[in-house]
Amino acid sequence: LAKTTQPISMDSYEGQEVNITCSHNNIATNDYITWYQQFPSQGPRFIIQGYKTKVTNEVASLFIPADRKSSTLSLPRVSLSDTAVYYCLVGDIGSGNTPLVFGKGTRLSVIA
Amino acid sequence: DVKVTQSSRYLVKRTGEKVFLECVQDMDHENMFWYRQDPGLGLRLIYFSYDVKMKEKGDIPEGYSVSREKKERFSLILESASTNQTSMYLCASSLWGEAEDEKLFFGSGTQLSVL
Repeated sequence: LAKTTQPISMDSYEGQEVNITCSHNNIATNDYITWYQQFPSQGPRFIIQGYKTKVTNEVASLFIPADRKSSTLSLPRVSLSDTAVYYCLVGDIGSGNTPLVFGKGTRLSVIA
Repeated sequence: DVKVTQSSRYLVKRTGEKVFLECVQDMDHENMFWYRQDPGLGLRLIYFSYDVKMKEKGDIPEGYSVSREKKERFSLILESASTNQTSMYLCASSLWGEAEDEKLFFGSGTQLSVL
């Protein structure tokens, strides 16, 4: 399974754009990149998923360069409620036999 | 919305007790998972199941077993609880299909304390 590396923590002020980069140098051809968000005392929840280029939804954008060895989760204009741990996962989604492996995540603290 | 329900939010048990953690999902998902989460260690996969009566070991299966007799229910069993099993336990489920289908849906977790 591809190993991921992401910063342990980040701080940001309200209203700023936050970019969290994840490295996955050993990503395989069939691997997708998925991000989850976890608030204290809750289970993680799905934010966004992509394979290449750029994906955008109502919550975030995901930028994936051509070599796919890294990806960047972009949160536009963060608020205090975006304070959470963000996990980057890489895996062969859809194969049905390889569950995703969570790393330690990035703890984002949004400051007023 | 998918709902994954874990039977207890908090649980206190004594060393050596047999402990059952129950998880039920209401969206007919094939896949179910048990993770534990400890400070500084992130989420670690204990066991998972892709079908009724099927189970696969995750990264840290020692000291645990699982049961999946019905599609909607996945139980985690601590045969003889020990203090190092004090942790937050999270259950998750997902569909088995195309990539965009395999999103994990988590329960709220069970904080287990073994004294």
